[in-house]
Amino acid sequence: ILNVEQSPQSLHVQEGDSTNFTCSFPSSNFYALHWYRWETAKSPEALFVMTLNGDEKKKGRISATLNTKEGYSYLYIKGSQPEDSATYLCAFPSWGKFQFGAGTQVVVTP
Amino acid sequence: DTAVSQTPKYLVTQMGNDKSIKCEQNLGHDTMYWYKQDSKKFLKIMFSYNNKELIINETVPNRFSPKSPDKAHLNLHINSLELGDSAVYFCASSQEDSSYNSPLHFGNGTRLTVT
Repeated sequence: ILNVEQSPQSLHVQEGDSTNFTCSFPSSNFYALHWYRWETAKSPEALFVMTLNGDEKKKGRISATLNTKEGYSYLYIKGSQPEDSATYLCAFPSWGKFQFGAGTQVVVTP
Repeated sequence: DTAVSQTPKYLVTQMGNDKSIKCEQNLGHDTMYWYKQDSKKFLKIMFSYNNKELIINETVPNRFSPKSPDKAHLNLHINSLELGDSAVYFCASSQEDSSYNSPLHFGNGTRLTVT
């Protein structure tokens, strides 16, 4: 069983504030690290696929970085908005399987 | 157009019954999956099929049997349902990619309640 851990489990953010949270994964046999956004009553949607050490990807106000040598990825939300409220999952693929973290639940309050 | 669709969205049934959940994807993907969202909200892989062939069977009870009539469909049949089978089941698909660069595309989930 691979350990894919996300922290914190949840966080509350005031609208307009920026925040970040982490995903840690095994640093050996790295292929890629995926980030998904999961809104309540919907299905997870892919945000980023990170493949190279030092990668930084951005989609609007959300960005992610990757450190494969130490086995972690950060997801950043700049100027949080209520529509950013969701659970953010990271997934580490290995041996044909995507091992998901438990997610970080983000609640943005106006 | 819905990319990955699964039916039904809700399924309420009694213990001991047999039920099926259907999944179809119109993305032309080669690989399809079934995930179970457990009580702690983890998404856990159950099965993976590539071009109709079983790739992964993740120590799921024999009562669960996936069927892939073609690469666009992966159905999940559950025999002799038990209370512990109550969960949300997600179907997903992805392009076959040994480098795992292709993201998963998920269906909207089926909430199964066994009474």
